[in-house]
Amino acid sequence: QVQLVQSGAEVKKPGASVKVSCKASGYTFTSYGISWVRQAPGQGLEWMGWISAYNGNTNYAQKLQGRVTMTTDTSTSTAYMELRSLRSDDTAVYYCARDLGWFDPWGQGTLVTVSS
Amino acid sequence: EIVMTQSPATLSVSPGERATLSCRASQSVSSNLAWYQQKPGQAPRLLIYGASTRATGIPARFSGSGSGTEFTLTISSLQSEDFAVYYCQQYNNWYTFGQGTKLEIK
Repeated sequence: QVQLVQSGAEVKKPGASVKVSCKASGYTFTSYGISWVRQAPGQGLEWMGWISAYNGNTNYAQKLQGRVTMTTDTSTSTAYMELRSLRSDDTAVYYCARDLGWFDPWGQGTLVTVSS
Repeated sequence: EIVMTQSPATLSVSPGERATLSCRASQSVSSNLAWYQQKPGQAPRLLIYGASTRATGIPARFSGSGSGTEFTLTISSLQSEDFAVYYCQQYNNWYTFGQGTKLEIK
């Protein structure tokens, strides 16, 4: 079955960087893009950006431009999301999702806590 | 950016009754709209795409309708497992989500 498995929880200090991985299985990785979505505690869903697993093209949400980088490793069917210059309001659960326009399926989520 | 507005923020309904959730787009998104269900501590799950097509494995009690700027998710007879938060998402011009509707037991 199609599945996305994400890396484990992270605790980071303000100003640091975090890199979250998302390993895909059950489908041809390069046939679809991957979107990243985050959810702050008790809040709604915020789309962060998209990467084509075919050619690496990206599109990032404007508010994260300059701080986020999305990459893929087609040899391992893994997508990565790196967020730099972390602030306390970056504390959230970060999800990857296979992007068909709609998102299906989603990874299980990775909690990133930013705290001094 | 296309703004998605969901109403109501909270909906209280008794099991077995019908629930109707609304989603409005700030400009036309054609039929490029999806609905998701999210339970506490879980990732969102796709329910509907293309405004009205049920995703694989989604029960027939879930239905979606609408096009352009006005959309509705209807759950015909609420089961205990349906009480959750529901989000709409447009994918006509990249992606934006509504703020969610919490469906709670009355």
